Amino acid sequence: DAGVTQSPTHLIKTRGQQVTLRCSPKSGHDTVSWYQQALGQGPQFIFQYYEEEERQRGNFPDRFSGHQFPNYSSELNVNALLLGDSALYLCASSAGFMRDTQYFGPGTRLTVL
Amino acid sequence: RKEVEQDPGPFNVPEGATVAFNCTYSNSASQSFFWYRQDCRKEPKLLMSVYSSGNEDGRFTAQLNRASQYISLLIRDSKLSDSATYLCVVNDYKLSFGAGTTVTVRA
Repeated sequence: DAGVTQSPTHLIKTRGQQVTLRCSPKSGHDTVSWYQQALGQGPQFIFQYYEEEERQRGNFPDRFSGHQFPNYSSELNVNALLLGDSALYLCASSAGFMRDTQYFGPGTRLTVL
Repeated sequence: RKEVEQDPGPFNVPEGATVAFNCTYSNSASQSFFWYRQDCRKEPKLLMSVYSSGNEDGRFTAQLNRASQYISLLIRDSKLSDSATYLCVVNDYKLSFGAGTTVTVRA
């Protein structure tokens, strides 16, 4: 049973560029949430997708956007990258809209130069 | 005030010791709580849910005090493999994480 998978593992971008991160949820899960974890901090909630719609959003600017596909996989897009966007981006999936335990993928480490 | 605040640690304990730490949460209406464990540069992994009556999972005991809005985690008979950062999590239709408590168990 495959767990949550994310790609790429690592990514280096420069300020002003755009990036797309990808996530495939655990088998049987239909809800995907994205988190940003800066060094030395706990993960911060970005947004959550269920039934291909953004259902909940944290305190992140519109530069952060996402999408969920019919197969429940998801993308996180960040435009106009800033140095402060450097972080570990975690995807978590659950079986139901915020009603079940969330399981995390290994994350994508983004470095913005 | 942050939604979830934790003892930052670090807690440096010998093998076999007992270590305990707390976190506090700001939303008195919160209903669902967890402890996650995170190893260096890895993803968080669910350690245990926290129930109102308190619960144990082997050497780990979690307690919830709703009146004071805090959650605790106690680790008995610490093992080297318990060295990690422990994240306190409140589920209010989104997961809110504390910054984590670092525990190092030494031989």
